[in-house]
Amino acid sequence: DTEVTQTPKHLVMGMTNKKSLKCEQHMGHRAMYWYKQKAKKPPELMFVYSYEKLSINESVPSRFSPECPNSSLLNLHLHALQPEDSALYLCASSQSGLAGDTGELFFGEGSRLTVL
Amino acid sequence: GESVGLHLPTLSVQEGDNSIINCAYSNSASDYFIWYKQESGKGPQFIIDIRSNMDKRQGQRVTVLLNKTVKHLSLQIAATQPGDSAVYFCAAQGNNRLAFGKGNQVVVIP
Repeated sequence: DTEVTQTPKHLVMGMTNKKSLKCEQHMGHRAMYWYKQKAKKPPELMFVYSYEKLSINESVPSRFSPECPNSSLLNLHLHALQPEDSALYLCASSQSGLAGDTGELFFGEGSRLTVL
Repeated sequence: GESVGLHLPTLSVQEGDNSIINCAYSNSASDYFIWYKQESGKGPQFIIDIRSNMDKRQGQRVTVLLNKTVKHLSLQIAATQPGDSAVYFCAAQGNNRLAFGKGNQVVVIP
């Protein structure tokens, strides 16, 4: 079983809704990640938090807002999304928070988002 | 940025046979590589990794080969089992991020 827990597993929202995706890990990892994955495609990096600070934002639209309340939690706040934002959103963590040495990423099972 | 790709989109293999999945990467500065397995409806699962100071690493039924000269990575699965059916992604670390290749579907025929 994965040690990265994501909720909810499924989410359906309208374009005017505000919702949040949540991720939790208790492995003491110092870096946490959000990836977006479309069907039949590889995961695409969105954000990286290292030592609870945002270290990478891959030019993600502002309708996606990440938050790292503490070293174990990572949220992704969603607002005014578009249907093309429908995807599987994967959270991951890695032991090292050092740039350039991520080491193995541990993934959660993902939150499948559908935007109507 | 990093560009990582796979040669074959789908591999059908008879149960019990060996499987080989190939991957090419573009960033010669990449120093760490991982193979992930993703089953339907699940997140990517770590299989095996290798650092750039090695050219071969073995795990349980899996072997990763790294050829830095031609920037090529491969995953060998011995005695493929039905549970090995999944999409396999290679990933390369470079520019402070892990970039994934396009993925290769492996279908095991019983």
